Amino acid sequence: NAGVTQTPKFQVLKTGQSMTLQCAQDMNHNSMYWYRQDPGMGLRLIYYSASEGTTDKGEVPNGYNVSRLNKREFSLRLESAAPSQTSVYFCASITGTGSAQPQHFGDGTRLSIL
Amino acid sequence: DQQVKQNSPSLSVQEGRISILNCDYTNSMFDYFLWYKKYPAEGPTFLISISSIKDKNEDGRFTVFLNKSAKHLSLHIVPSQPGDSAVYFCAASSNTNAGKSTFGDGTTLTVKP
Repeated sequence: NAGVTQTPKFQVLKTGQSMTLQCAQDMNHNSMYWYRQDPGMGLRLIYYSASEGTTDKGEVPNGYNVSRLNKREFSLRLESAAPSQTSVYFCASITGTGSAQPQHFGDGTRLSIL
Repeated sequence: DQQVKQNSPSLSVQEGRISILNCDYTNSMFDYFLWYKKYPAEGPTFLISISSIKDKNEDGRFTVFLNKSAKHLSLHIVPSQPGDSAVYFCAASSNTNAGKSTFGDGTTLTVKP
């Protein structure tokens, strides 16, 4: 049981390049989330999808777009990468949008933008 | 304004002793609190949680205490083991918040043999 799978694990981009981070879960979860974690800081929510076909902005959405491709997959796109977007990106999922449940995380994508 | 705060960036304890990690929150709408553990190069994994209707939840060596009036929770690990060395994140959510969680900045726990 893979859980939440993120690809790629590492990526180096040049400023201005675009890239899509992929996330897939095999737990039949309805809700999916994208976070970024900067050094010494907690996870900050970029975008989330409460259910298939819906997406909403989180705390730090600027510079990103998302697509909920189907129930399994939730991708994060950087249209024009900036050095400030250098971070570790985590995808997470939960069964539904009720509060009383933990999130399941992937192992992250480490993104460096030069 | 940070709604979930972990004021101690790091904590070092001796193996076999108690580890106490603290977390404060400001949003009274939070009704569910979680602790996650994170090893390097891995994603966070769920450790233990507590609902706002309780003041204590225990799971083996891990106990979480919630003081709603003080808006404070703590994670106790007894006895601490070297394998517990990791970053611990406190998180909070609300049933009106679409399953979103707000995370603290984490506390790095080092358990020395």
